[in-house]
Amino acid sequence: QSALTQPASVSGSPGQSITISCTGTSSDIGTYNYVSWYQQHPGKAPKLMIYDVSNRPSGVSNRFSGSKSGNTASLTISGLQAEDEADYYCSSYTTSSTFRVFGTGTKVTVL
Amino acid sequence: QVQLVQSGAEVKKPGASVKVSCKASSYTFTNYGISWIRQAPGQGLEWMGWISVYTGNTDYAQQFQGRVTLTTDTSTSTTYMEMRSLTSNDTAVYYCARDPGKGRFAPWGQGTLVTVSS
Repeated sequence: QSALTQPASVSGSPGQSITISCTGTSSDIGTYNYVSWYQQHPGKAPKLMIYDVSNRPSGVSNRFSGSKSGNTASLTISGLQAEDEADYYCSSYTTSSTFRVFGTGTKVTVL
Repeated sequence: QVQLVQSGAEVKKPGASVKVSCKASSYTFTNYGISWIRQAPGQGLEWMGWISVYTGNTDYAQQFQGRVTLTTDTSTSTTYMEMRSLTSNDTAVYYCARDPGKGRFAPWGQGTLVTVSS
């Protein structure tokens, strides 16, 4: 099972919106609505930002939103802020022998 | 608040084994599973395996099958990850995360650095 494919980097200016894509296959994103997104600041543990494609845990800013179309999931960050600069990973449940798979990771830079 | 606290950093020699613990607090331990995820230096996240605390059932990623064992002690709300036959490629930060069964990882432990070096 290969990792889900994400762009290596995405950047934007404060206040702008950016979207990070996460491309899988019919064995994972295309079949299940168990897609989640994680934010990781340097030296810190990841933090859940979106689960089940588009649900936000309590305490996560509504500037973060998720969606899915076919085999591709997306995370959108609206009103970009300096504190959003971090690495972002998607994850999906999968029918393969891996059971769960992560994306390759995207570094978000706030210009 | 819901919290997972992991054991401290380890330094091991190639061929050795390591056992990392993850102690849960502030929630009903048996209502959730625990996943283990690792991150090599400068690399991405890699899912290793999951244990159902309630049943003891486990799922392992194919690449770790036979080399990793997950166990749980409900009396202390602690889950353990043991990895055998370590190589330098196993040098990584190892995380535990609460996982109800379909990969919603939250919260995460603080991470345990395992360094494999001769």
